[in-house]
Amino acid sequence: QVQLVQSGAEVKKPGSSVKVSCKASGGTFSSYAISWVRQAPGQGLEWMGRIIPILGIANYAQKFQGRVTITADKSTSTAYMELSSLRSEDTAVYYCARDLGRGLLDYWGQGTLVTVSS
Amino acid sequence: DIQMTQSPSSLSASVGDRVTITCRASQGIRNDLGWYQQKPGKAPKRLIYAASSLQSGVPSRFSGSGSGTEFTLTISSLQPEDFATYYCLQHNSYPLYTFGQGTKLEIK
Repeated sequence: QVQLVQSGAEVKKPGSSVKVSCKASGGTFSSYAISWVRQAPGQGLEWMGRIIPILGIANYAQKFQGRVTITADKSTSTAYMELSSLRSEDTAVYYCARDLGRGLLDYWGQGTLVTVSS
Repeated sequence: DIQMTQSPSSLSASVGDRVTITCRASQGIRNDLGWYQQKPGKAPKRLIYAASSLQSGVPSRFSGSGSGTEFTLTISSLQPEDFATYYCLQHNSYPLYTFGQGTKLEIK
């Protein structure tokens, strides 16, 4: 059984950065991708990007290009999502999910609330 | 990026009703589309893949159709547990994905 456990809630100032972690257990971390999806309060799901840990290759939605960096540490089976130049509109719950390709996001982390406020 | 336009954004219906949700792609995506259901406080769960194939374990009252730019999710007879928010997700532009804006299905 795959389990994804994310880091805790964060409160950040506008203009700063946040780094959220996603630790995987069960399954073989390097054999699948990890996608990041966010959900602003009362809003819909927004796909941000993904990484394939075994390759170390990340892809990003155009909206977040230049502001988001997704990395993975195979030694600890942990993926990271760092978002910079934070603004109030980045306040959201950030999820990681196991991405098996062809749009299948089957296991999800519990979500990390990031609040951006001065 | 491929844009996905989902409608309606919200829908009120009664138990037993038949409901249809639509997703339109900004360009042809073949059948590279899935439908997800999200309940409050829970992670999303995929119901339909390849536009019309039912995910294992999903009740047969859910069905999907479409190809190219227009897709529909139909629930043939609403059950109380179906009241949730539904999203389409395109993966034609792999490795990039796009969600639709979501449709909140509420009890009338």
